[in-house]
Amino acid sequence: KAGVTQTPRYLIKTRGQQVTLSCSPISGHRSVSWYQQTPGQGLQFLFEYFSETQRNKGNFPGRFSGRQFSNSRSEMNVSTLELGDSALYLCASSLGPTGNHYEQYFGPGTRLTVT
Amino acid sequence: QQQVKQSPQSLIVQKGGISIINCAYENTAFDYFPWYQQFPGKGPALLIAIRPDVSEKKEGRFTISFNKSAKQFSLHIMDSQPGDSATYFCAASKGNRDDKIIFGKGTRLHILP
Repeated sequence: KAGVTQTPRYLIKTRGQQVTLSCSPISGHRSVSWYQQTPGQGLQFLFEYFSETQRNKGNFPGRFSGRQFSNSRSEMNVSTLELGDSALYLCASSLGPTGNHYEQYFGPGTRLTVT
Repeated sequence: QQQVKQSPQSLIVQKGGISIINCAYENTAFDYFPWYQQFPGKGPALLIAIRPDVSEKKEGRFTISFNKSAKQFSLHIMDSQPGDSATYFCAASKGNRDDKIIFGKGTRLHILP
């Protein structure tokens, strides 16, 4: 079974630009969560989607948004990029909502650098 | 109250030694405590998990100890090997489908050969 795939793996953007990251979950998984990982803050939850509905949202500004498609694939978008948005963005998929203790399987992440 | 506090931030252990990473939480509603292991260039992967109805869970060289009254849980890696060098995250969640899993900030473990 293929794992979680994220594209692109690396991205360099300029301040003020916007970016879209993509995540393909494991086949059959209906929940996708997004995390921002930085050396100082660890793993910070962005949002979770289950069956195309946003189930939960972390404490990030509205510049961070996401969506999930009917095939469970998910995208996250960051508009008006800031230097502080430089991070590893991780996507994780699970059979059901993570709040119900379904095991999360993480992708390798997208390394975003904002200059 | 939603935080999970993890310590130490980094840890160096000799090969064959015991690595111990600790986590503490405040919210007594948490009922699931997983540990994740992350190697450089990879996403985290579930290592082992425990529920508060047991005080210890062992899988191979990895053991979770859970102290419900102290609201603490820890990961012990016995006979630590250089291949165990990774970042470890503890986490907690409440079993509510609309709730999220809360992660600690991670411990970077280095096992000396």
